[in-house]
Amino acid sequence: EVQLVESGGGLVQPGRSLKLSCAASGFTFSNYYMAWVRQAPKKGLEWVATISTSGSRTYYPDSVKGRFTISRDNAKSSLYLQMNSLKSEDTATYYCASSNWELGDYYVMDAWGQGASVTVSS
Amino acid sequence: DVLMTQTPVSLPVSLGGQVSISCRSSQSLVHSDGNTYLHWYLQKPGQSPQLLIYRVSNRFSGVPDRFSGSGSGTDFTLKISRVEPEDLGVYYCLQSTHFPLTFGSGTKLEIK
Repeated sequence: EVQLVESGGGLVQPGRSLKLSCAASGFTFSNYYMAWVRQAPKKGLEWVATISTSGSRTYYPDSVKGRFTISRDNAKSSLYLQMNSLKSEDTATYYCASSNWELGDYYVMDAWGQGASVTVSS
Repeated sequence: DVLMTQTPVSLPVSLGGQVSISCRSSQSLVHSDGNTYLHWYLQKPGQSPQLLIYRVSNRFSGVPDRFSGSGSGTDFTLKISRVEPEDLGVYYCLQSTHFPLTFGSGTKLEIK
């Protein structure tokens, strides 16, 4: 069974940094692109980042580019999101998701974690 | 960025009934490789999103055949027949043809 478990969320002041982790199990982590998606309170879903299997390619929307960094450790089956220069508008639940190329698309997210809550406030 | 417009925002339904949700994109979702990367998710109350349909019309593993997806170009539809209580929640479309990936704003399916 695929399991994705996020950790590292919490309350952080504007301008500070936070690093989220996602522990993966139940599948061959190194074979899958991985992604982070966030959801602000009572709002819809927003894609945050995607990383290739080796980590050599990363993708971000403009809203987080230059501030957030996605990375992975295939030996540990772990995904990370380093968030710097945090703003109040980054307050959200952050979901870790796997992207299953076997569905014919490297970017469609098929399995999701339960989410980690990040609150940016002074 | 590709804007994904979902309608309606809210969709009251009777159990056992049939509904359709529309998702329109601001530009064609046909990729240069010829494929169309439009997907549908359901987020049940208090839960993480779950994949229902990928690449327009393919049901994900375990998704009942009451769910069907169709469409092409910029106009896509998710149909749900014989609505059951576990179908309630917010439905989102996602396009992964163009970067940045973008979601629709969601359609809330609720009991009439």
